[in-house]
Amino acid sequence: AQSVTQLDSQVPVFEEAPVELRCNYSSSVSVYLFWYVQYPNQGLQLLLKYLSGSTLVKGINGFEAEFNKSQTSFHLRKPSVHISDTAEYFCAVRTSGTASKLTFGTGTRLQVTL
Amino acid sequence: GAVVSQHPSRVICKSGTSVKIECRSLDFQATTMFWYRQFPKQSLMLMATSNEGSKATYEQGVEKDKFLINHASLTLSTLTVTSAHPEDSSFYICSAPGHITEGYTFGSGTRLTVV
Repeated sequence: AQSVTQLDSQVPVFEEAPVELRCNYSSSVSVYLFWYVQYPNQGLQLLLKYLSGSTLVKGINGFEAEFNKSQTSFHLRKPSVHISDTAEYFCAVRTSGTASKLTFGTGTRLQVTL
Repeated sequence: GAVVSQHPSRVICKSGTSVKIECRSLDFQATTMFWYRQFPKQSLMLMATSNEGSKATYEQGVEKDKFLINHASLTLSTLTVTSAHPEDSSFYICSAPGHITEGYTFGSGTRLTVV
């Protein structure tokens, strides 16, 4: 079975500052990694994903994440955040089965202020 | 891209009544649908997995008779909360797995309030 740990439940940051949201995972098999964003009372939107290949992946809204196999991490970063980035961010993993389950972390609330 | 339409977005019902939530895959066939429940400020907890034409698979601790799942076609899966109680109030989200390289597609969620 796989698990996901998001170490920070909340991350306050000022607008235009850089941010990193941490994610660590554990699994006995190869996994695919995802970051999702959730705005209030909405479903989840895919930010980016790592399947294979380059360990640095770029997503929407200026976010990027780096897969580090030795540290089993997949931290999300953005060099300059905006007020509109305020939301809940979830890291998730799934195995390679075609209908395999997504396992979510507990989420990180990114709060951007002026 | 793939879209999952979820309705209703919000529903308020009285204790003891039943509520049906629908999720439709609009431009693809979803042989599998995952149903999640999310409490305020918490992560998504998988409740059950529905498969077209067969019985749903429920996660440990989820009452099958209370949360009825039907996946009658390749584009429609429904979750019915039967005899709802205030503790069933929550945000329910469905999700269909896309191609392995595409991750999952989520519905927009249903906010259920039982009064």
